[in-house]
Amino acid sequence: DGGITQSPKYLFRKEGQNVTLSCEQNLNHDAMYWYRQDPGQGLRLIYYSQIVNDFQKGDIAEGYSVSREKKESFPLTVTSAQKNPTAFYLCASSKTYGAGVVTDTQYFGPGTRLTVL
Amino acid sequence: AQSVAQPEDQVNVAEGNPLTVKCTYSVSGNPYLFWYVQYPNRGLQFLLKYITGDNLVKGSYGFEAEFNKSQTSFHLKKPSALVSDSALYFCAVRGARTGGYNKLIFGAGTRLAVHP
Repeated sequence: DGGITQSPKYLFRKEGQNVTLSCEQNLNHDAMYWYRQDPGQGLRLIYYSQIVNDFQKGDIAEGYSVSREKKESFPLTVTSAQKNPTAFYLCASSKTYGAGVVTDTQYFGPGTRLTVL
Repeated sequence: AQSVAQPEDQVNVAEGNPLTVKCTYSVSGNPYLFWYVQYPNRGLQFLLKYITGDNLVKGSYGFEAEFNKSQTSFHLKKPSALVSDSALYFCAVRGARTGGYNKLIFGAGTRLAVHP
């Protein structure tokens, strides 16, 4: 988990509420990622960013939004449009090579568990 | 189609015995393979990776993995299991480049239980 922090560790959301999950890294990595983990399933990619001020949708982006204003930070907002947001959310980062063409090993933060009340 | 399969939901091993956690993959081109471990309510920790070179890759905490191209497998192994190895293990493969990105494709995970 070293070098990547996520906050809060636990988060509770009421129906119709937007919430923002924080992810910060001090590894000087260009690329950052958000994954969702549900019981019995592998990780599913929500959004990724390979450089500041640029990000791309992953496999399950609907109901989520991100920003990448700084290299170190990649916050994820879970909007009210996400109908089933209860899950464990993981942020990761990696080096890139060749002007962002190749991404190296991904390193993960400790996660945020989001529960809808 | 690019995919990773972990055929066992759970593996049970006695402490001190060797352990194997299985992984098979399907990807076009040369595979880049990874193993991660996850302890309860924690993020994933990187164990080891195969990119090229020796088929036997050594990683953290005494784990190793054997790449077998003909069987498209990348099984995780450890000669002597510890109770503290009990965790959820994920195999992953880096997929082909699409949309400017090589996606990391994860298996569903295998829960390893090491009994005293």
